[in-house]
Amino acid sequence: DGGITQSPKYLFRKEGQNVTLSCEQNLNHDAMYWYRQDPGQGLRLIYYSQIVNDFQKGDIAEGYSVSREKKESFPLTVTSAQKNPTAFYLCASSLRGLSGYGYTFGSGTRLTVV
Amino acid sequence: EDQVTQSPEALRLQEGESSSLNCSYTVSGLRGLFWYRQDPGKGPEFLFTLYSAGEEKEKERLKATLTKKESFLHITAPKPEDSATYLCAVPKQGAQKLVFGQGTRLTINP
Repeated sequence: DGGITQSPKYLFRKEGQNVTLSCEQNLNHDAMYWYRQDPGQGLRLIYYSQIVNDFQKGDIAEGYSVSREKKESFPLTVTSAQKNPTAFYLCASSLRGLSGYGYTFGSGTRLTVV
Repeated sequence: EDQVTQSPEALRLQEGESSSLNCSYTVSGLRGLFWYRQDPGKGPEFLFTLYSAGEEKEKERLKATLTKKESFLHITAPKPEDSATYLCAVPKQGAQKLVFGQGTRLTINP
């Protein structure tokens, strides 16, 4: 079955540490997205990519970095510059043009600073 | 600026008590309005896409409707398993990305 896989489900980060969240899809979708979800604030866009080797900043890109070396993969690195990284992170993918279902989401990664 | 506002933020109902959730949007040239359901600790799951004013779609106890300025998600005779956060979203004008509302957290008490 096609879908999006995020790993790990839970991640703990020490102060000053970089961590990378994995996102893999086998839906043959061109576009991939990273959102951050905090209680009461809905989904906020961090980065998105419409094609391989190209990506754009979203609304809250500071302290995050991404790469898109393969169509199937869009990893997110949370750097030490992100001062408040504790949140639920969602990866999504879509067909070009956002037709049909809009996004297909992964199951999320909960990141906690310890 | 493209904006999506959902109300209420939270809604608590008794089992069988019907109600509606609201999603207001401001975007030029609507290219679809999407409803998702999200269970705690999980990713959102697709429910409906509406494209034009007057359109309606149904799935079990849920019915989504669309006007030129807002969408409603009507829930009829809800059951406890309908408890979740419901999100709506619209494509940002001229871009291939969705703008989400803050969601409505629905709780159905048995």
